[in-house]
Amino acid sequence: DAGVIQSPRHEVTEMGQEVTLRCKPISGHNSLFWYRQTMMRGLELLIYFNNNVPIDDSGMPEDRFSAKMPNASFSTLKIQPSEPRDSAVYFCASSLSSRDYGYTFGSGTRLTVV
Amino acid sequence: KQEVTQIPAALSVPEGENLVLNCSFTDSAIYNLQWFRQDPGKGLTSLLLIQSSQREQTSGRLNASLDKSSGRSTLYIAASQPGDSATYLCAVPQTGGYQKVTFGIGTKLQVIP
Repeated sequence: DAGVIQSPRHEVTEMGQEVTLRCKPISGHNSLFWYRQTMMRGLELLIYFNNNVPIDDSGMPEDRFSAKMPNASFSTLKIQPSEPRDSAVYFCASSLSSRDYGYTFGSGTRLTVV
Repeated sequence: KQEVTQIPAALSVPEGENLVLNCSFTDSAIYNLQWFRQDPGKGLTSLLLIQSSQREQTSGRLNASLDKSSGRSTLYIAASQPGDSATYLCAVPQTGGYQKVTFGIGTKLQVIP
């Protein structure tokens, strides 16, 4: 298995632009998580899905952030409009919705908003 | 709300030394706990997942223990090598659940040749 695949690896954009981050979970995993990592706050859970349905989006910082999972093999995290304080590394992780399984993380997308 | 603390924040040891990394959490009603490794500029690599019913879990030179009653987990690394240099994070589920986890800030380990 290729693991959790995220794209792009790096994204540099200007303030006010729309940014879309993409994630392909491991085939067969039915839970998907979006995390954000910064030096100040560490890893923060933004939202997670079970069976393509959003379960908890309480970590989404503001209405500028939205996430979708149209099918079991694809998810997007969108920021519109982007701001410099959104600069961070965004990770996607997938798992089976069972207490016997842990997370598998993707390599992340490093977002810089200038 | 689950709070996770990792001490020390950074650790530097000579090659070959055995070492222990600590993770403490405030709510002991957890189903499992996971340890990860993160190399600079990289994603997180899962090291060990330890279930609440287990006391220990081992993988190669790594051994993780879990003491729910005291709210602690330790990651023991035997015979450390320079390739072990990385940041080690523990992930602890929220109360009564297993999917929504809180990560510690991590312990940055440097193994000196």
